[in-house]
Amino acid sequence: EAAVTQSPRSKVAVTGGKVTLSCHQTNNHDYMYWYRQDTGHGLRLIHYSYVADSTEKGDIPDGYKASRPSQENFSLILELASLSQTAVYFCASSDAGTGVDTQYFGPGTRLLVL
Amino acid sequence: GMPVEQNPPALSLYEGAESGLRCNFSTTMKGVQWFQQNHRGRLITLFYLAQGTKENGRLKSTFNSKERYSTLHIKDAQLEDSGTYFCAVEATNNNAPRFGAGTKLSVKP
Repeated sequence: EAAVTQSPRSKVAVTGGKVTLSCHQTNNHDYMYWYRQDTGHGLRLIHYSYVADSTEKGDIPDGYKASRPSQENFSLILELASLSQTAVYFCASSDAGTGVDTQYFGPGTRLLVL
Repeated sequence: GMPVEQNPPALSLYEGAESGLRCNFSTTMKGVQWFQQNHRGRLITLFYLAQGTKENGRLKSTFNSKERYSTLHIKDAQLEDSGTYFCAVEATNNNAPRFGAGTKLSVKP
């Protein structure tokens, strides 16, 4: 079973502050993803990465940066947190080579920006 | 992003009943995944399909790339099946799955 962990599991941040969400996977997967989920809605893709030291923009990248310093770690950075960034953030990894493969999700990070 | 539509938005079933959920998409996809999000918020992978049909116990999923839809069929519904079901699709020219808005399933005794 793939193991994807996220830290912190929850965080309260102040508007304008910097927030870093961390994700770690132990399955040697090439692909990692960050999604956000707003209450009552599906997941929206923020950033993803298919190799260390490289990141790609997803559908809603504005206000977020991503960092993939190693295959195992993928961080999401909010340089200036805003109220609208209150959400649950999910990290996922997969071993998608030439086709779809199963995504394994972390438990989520609940972020509240005040 | 790629529009992914799930129907119905919500569904209520009695224990033992069966029903199908549908995921429609607008372009050719490499594959589809189905997830259940439980009451604790955890996302549980149910299926991933690049083609055809897969079954696992009371769940069955099909993927019709040509007609641009996928289905998830639940039979003999149980209380623990309650949750929100998401499909996620991956386009042929893009390597990051996109999610539908989900179907909220409530199973009643």
